[in-house]
Order: sequence, then C-alpha cells, then structure tokens
Amino acid sequence: QKEVEQDPGPLSVPEGAIVSLNCTYSNSAFQYFMWYRQYSRKGPELLMYTYSSGNKEDGRFTAQVDKSSKYISLFIRDSQPSDSATYLCAKVTGNQFYFGTGTSLTVIP
Amino acid sequence: GAGVSQSPSNKVTEKGKDVELRCDPISGHTALYWYRQSLGQGLEFLIYFQGNSAPDKSGLPSDRFSAERTGGSVSTLTIQRTQQEDSAVYLCASSLIPYGYTFGSGTRLTVV
Repeated sequence: QKEVEQDPGPLSVPEGAIVSLNCTYSNSAFQYFMWYRQYSRKGPELLMYTYSSGNKEDGRFTAQVDKSSKYISLFIRDSQPSDSATYLCAKVTGNQFYFGTGTSLTVIP
Repeated sequence: GAGVSQSPSNKVTEKGKDVELRCDPISGHTALYWYRQSLGQGLEFLIYFQGNSAPDKSGLPSDRFSAERTGGSVSTLTIQRTQQEDSAVYLCASSLIPYGYTFGSGTRLTVV
C-alpha cells in the first residue's frame, strides 16, 4: 500500500467554482501534511502545511486533515485560471516526504 | 541565491553515457533532497543530505546512482551508464527547517 494515494484527475472546472482535491494516507506515526502546486515545467511550490486535524485557511485555500479517516483535502474557493496546475499532497514523517502522484487541475475562464 | 538553482535544465544523453546533474541550494540551507519525477508516477525520493550527517541513500534505485554534497552546499547527482528508464525530471529541494522545502525547477533528462 502506498503511503499517500491521490486521484490523478484530470479535473476541469469553470472559473469561480469551489475545487476539492483529496488524498488518503496510510500509517499514523507522528507526521504533518503539505500541499504543493506545480506549474508545467516548474518545480513544486509549497502552498500550505498543517500538523493537526481540522482546517487551516490561507486566502482562497483551505487545507483540511481528518486523522480519524486518514484523509487530507485542499479546497480552493473562487478558482481562477491561474490556479490551473498540478496539485501534490505530501505526508512528512521524520525526514521522509511521501508525495501523492498529483491531481491536474484546469480552471476554464 | 534567491532560490534553488539546478543545471542543466535539459539534458539529452545517449544510453550508456554518464551524466552529472547539479543543484545549488539556497545559501545556509542545511537539508538537501533529490527527487525523481516521472510522468504519472509522482515524486520519488532518491537521497537526503542533512548538515554533516551521513546521507540517507535509501531511495537510490541502483548502484548506478550516486550523489555528493561538497562543503554542505552544492550537490551533484551522478547517473552512470544511463538507461532509457532513467528518463525523468530530477528535482532538488533545500530547507533550513523540517518543512517548507523549496524546490528547484528540475533537470529534464532524456536518454535516447
């Protein structure tokens, strides 16, 4: 079983829609979670990280962790064409990063 | 520098040749990672350097792969006798703290 599973999509939404990106993870050792955004031919850039269960907001982005179901989500409100990218979830345990395969998102103007 | 710098940005090599990929991390960052990203495969951990500690090489896929980090700064990933399955984007990331890694733009390696 992979450490992190992520639906690859692709996901296509109209501008202004609320986007929900999801991952599941295995193992429950102390860890924290991150979301990265990767534009084409660029390296991933960190969007958000969180240690605990619950929600963390940053502008139009909300990261949610449900440790009871081992589910992590990223919500994007009022999506913009500039949000079109691949989104990667990651679980960090110690010095090991485990990445999902990424979800490709296209926001249509 | 302002970010993590990787060179070359693109490399095409013939099967069987050796290649060297370079990563110049953000100044002062003690942690440095190498990852490989293949289409549809996500990021695959290769190797991790932290300060002067022995590197974690547990992700290197074969003994054809090696990496070093000189003076706690610049790192070089070497692939010997390249194979077509080595074709991928090789990403380097650095950090001063256990989170918030900054990635470079990667080296796109094509083995023909």
